[in-house]
Amino acid sequence: GDSVTQTEGLVTLTEGLPVMLNCTYQTIYSNPFLFWYVHYLNESPRLLLKSSTDNKRTEHQGFHATLHKSSSSFHLQKSSAQLSDSALYYCALSYSNYQLIWGSGTKLIIKP
Amino acid sequence: EAAVTQSPRNKVAVTGGKVTLSCNQTNNHNNMYWYRQDTGHGLRLIHYSYGAGSTEKGDIPDGYKASRPSQENFSLILELATPSQTSVYFCASGDTGVQNTLYFGAGTRLSVL
Repeated sequence: GDSVTQTEGLVTLTEGLPVMLNCTYQTIYSNPFLFWYVHYLNESPRLLLKSSTDNKRTEHQGFHATLHKSSSSFHLQKSSAQLSDSALYYCALSYSNYQLIWGSGTKLIIKP
Repeated sequence: EAAVTQSPRNKVAVTGGKVTLSCNQTNNHNNMYWYRQDTGHGLRLIHYSYGAGSTEKGDIPDGYKASRPSQENFSLILELATPSQTSVYFCASGDTGVQNTLYFGAGTRLSVL
């Protein structure tokens, strides 16, 4: 069945270093939509960015991701981590009008 | 900005008691969802609805019921709460469409003692 894998449950980085959170997926659908949602402490989860276009970079709030259908990946990256980036990040796959398939989430902690 | 309001924000319940979590959205979205969030499991879908009067089972529906009496309101009901249902619950809404964004409420922290 369809699935989303986030291999790192916890990523701890020093401020200023680059961020890369991994997301791979499996689906039978040829045109999936992939999403990154971010959940800051004491806030509601919200959309960070999304894409369905192969090999096109999508950017928002300093983060970027590129959907690579050849490798079924949608990794989230940022060139320089900030303390305020500390949050829980979810990768998700949309395959129908009603449901998302969620990864298990990656907690990102940025230290000074 | 889409608005999804959950109540209560915090709830302590006793084992065997009935718990109702409420969700209201003011954006006229067709779809609404109830998730629970647990460390190591991420967001797991309990029930969802694609319009007033409809409810569908998600991935982990056992022990939960849902009710969608109107476009705006979607409730999650624990008839006989158990300690394993201690969690943070999120309601979300969204339009129909594979590309559409989900808008989440602030969450309800439920402790079942």
